[in-house]
Amino acid sequence: GAGVSQSPSNKVTEKGKDVELRCDPISGHTALYWYRQSLGQGLEFLIYFQGNSAPDKSGLPSDRFSAERTGGSVSTLTIQRTQQEDSAVYLCASSAQNYGYTFGSGTRLTVV
Amino acid sequence: DQQVKQNSPSLSVQEGRISILNCDYTNSMFDYFLWYKKYPAEGPTFLISISSIKDKNEDGRFTVFLNKSAKHLSLHIVPSQPGDSAVYFCAASSNSGTYKYIFGTGTRLKVLA
Repeated sequence: GAGVSQSPSNKVTEKGKDVELRCDPISGHTALYWYRQSLGQGLEFLIYFQGNSAPDKSGLPSDRFSAERTGGSVSTLTIQRTQQEDSAVYLCASSAQNYGYTFGSGTRLTVV
Repeated sequence: DQQVKQNSPSLSVQEGRISILNCDYTNSMFDYFLWYKKYPAEGPTFLISISSIKDKNEDGRFTVFLNKSAKHLSLHIVPSQPGDSAVYFCAASSNSGTYKYIFGTGTRLKVLA
């Protein structure tokens, strides 16, 4: 596609449930990033995939968070046993080189 | 530990005047900087960049200034237009090959007609 696609755009889930967020990057972009923006906060780095290298998971806030990228393309961010503090907009971005990212529109996650 | 700081959460400017958005960083290894603009319900979009080998980069109404000794950069928008009303994020990277950017908390700009 022409841009980075994220689904769903909105997700409301009950506390304790697992959720999966999907990101479809721009074709040919080797790097993929997940960020989140909580209310009143900046963009918090979560995880970074680059080609076949081991992902940089240094931003994942807890072991309830995991992400995978299959075939160097689509990525799924999974949050297990969701908590209310997980409520945020989860943004995915991809890039080809170091001249900035292209972001998707995000998934707004609300944990009730 | 906030490595990239935008100390002004909001800014209001009259249409036609200059908007100046500031950003400070603490990591001296940062050598590539970006500004992004974000409208509600949309992802951030790239606006302008600057590398540490320059102290100024200009693109139309947008100019970014970098003061490496002060670890400070600023985005100037002149003349400001109502369509510029958005949240502006600065981001920094050490450009070590990972291209992992650290973002500030954003400044909400409101341009008044």
